[in-house]
Amino acid sequence: DAGITQSPRHKVTETGTPVTLRCHQTENHRYMYWYRQDPGHGLRLIHYSYGVKDTDKGEVSDGYSVSRSKTEDFLLTLESATSSQTSVYFCAIRKPPPSTDTQYFGPGTRLTVL
Amino acid sequence: RKEVEQDPGPFNVPEGATVAFNCTYSNSASQSFFWYRQDCRKEPKLLMSVYSSGNEDGRFTAQLNRASQYISLLIRDSKLSDSATYLCCAEDQAGTALIFGKGTTLSVSS
Repeated sequence: DAGITQSPRHKVTETGTPVTLRCHQTENHRYMYWYRQDPGHGLRLIHYSYGVKDTDKGEVSDGYSVSRSKTEDFLLTLESATSSQTSVYFCAIRKPPPSTDTQYFGPGTRLTVL
Repeated sequence: RKEVEQDPGPFNVPEGATVAFNCTYSNSASQSFFWYRQDCRKEPKLLMSVYSSGNEDGRFTAQLNRASQYISLLIRDSKLSDSATYLCCAEDQAGTALIFGKGTTLSVSS
């Protein structure tokens, strides 16, 4: 158990509506990440955070914004959802030693934009 | 853009077979490498780290070749439960994020 929850787990929305996905961790780790996973593209980094109110863009950040007002929560917002943002979204945290110093993933959110 | 490339497969093998996956990375400055396993409709889960000296965990062996910039995963005595997608990844130059390959699908049949 990576100590990460994501909500909602499934969402269907319409083009043009705002959508916010939540990632919550219970262990107060510094680094948190948002990825999307699509067939033929694999996992691609959207945004990441290295502390409260400290965020940076990843490979596919256009159309997405993030916020981290508390250590335990990392929010991903699609300001105006498009069909190209239909995907599976994974949140991840980075655990330092004694865990293997790498990323551990949440269960994912399946988002469909009609 | 720094990339990680891997053969998507699928690799279809019988139980008991030995199967090897290779993965190449383009960023010579990458310091950390990992293999993840992902079951259908589930999240990726860390399988093992990859070191130049090799890393063995039961039936699984991971190896890093820095000179050729590739990492490998060897699975011996394949089990039905090994059927999954295997993702390789390399840490980016800043050491803050992971760059993933697109995954290699393994199907083990009885």
